[in-house]
Amino acid sequence: NAGVTQTPKFQVLKTGQSMTLQCAQDMNHNSMYWYRQDPGMGLRLIYYSASEGTTDKGEVPNGYNVSRLNKREFSLRLESAAPSQTSVYFCASSRGLFYEQYFGPGTRLTVT
Amino acid sequence: AQTVTQSQPEMSVQEAETVTLSCTYDTSESDYYLFWYKQPPSRQMILVIRQEAYKQQNATENRFSVNFQKAAKSFSLKISDSQLGDAAMYFCAYRSPGSQGNLIFGKGTKLSVKP
Repeated sequence: NAGVTQTPKFQVLKTGQSMTLQCAQDMNHNSMYWYRQDPGMGLRLIYYSASEGTTDKGEVPNGYNVSRLNKREFSLRLESAAPSQTSVYFCASSRGLFYEQYFGPGTRLTVT
Repeated sequence: AQTVTQSQPEMSVQEAETVTLSCTYDTSESDYYLFWYKQPPSRQMILVIRQEAYKQQNATENRFSVNFQKAAKSFSLKISDSQLGDAAMYFCAYRSPGSQGNLIFGKGTKLSVKP
């Protein structure tokens, strides 16, 4: 039982490059989330998916897009990376919107 | 908007001793949920304990317990019999029932455990 997995673990991009962060969960959870964590800060919600087929913006959605590919997978795309998007990105899932969230190990992204 | 404040950027405790981490929050809602998450150097966010605001009884999970003071909007975490493996960042988080599941996090407290 892997829980929530994220790929890659580390990534370095140049300004303007694009990339997709992958997240998958094997707990049959309905809801999934993407957060970012900046130095000295708690996590902030980027996007979330209440259930398969739906996505909604969180607190800091600008510069990102998401896809809920199926019940297991929720990807985060940076179309044109900027240095301000240097951060650690966490994916999480929960049985539903009002249940405990379980987090993946994070992806450390650096944009130069 | 709801905010969560952790006023202690760093704390230190001797192994086997007890330590309390502070958290205050600001909300106008009467029904909500509070959480403590642990983030060790591996970066994995691990749920430690949760508290529903409508429950007067303080939550307890083994060596971890909370002191929930609803009127004071305070939610502190007590770690008893501290172990070396407790060393980590600890984040307090708030969730409103109407927030579509959004967790609002404090900035964290870095806990060191001395052998």
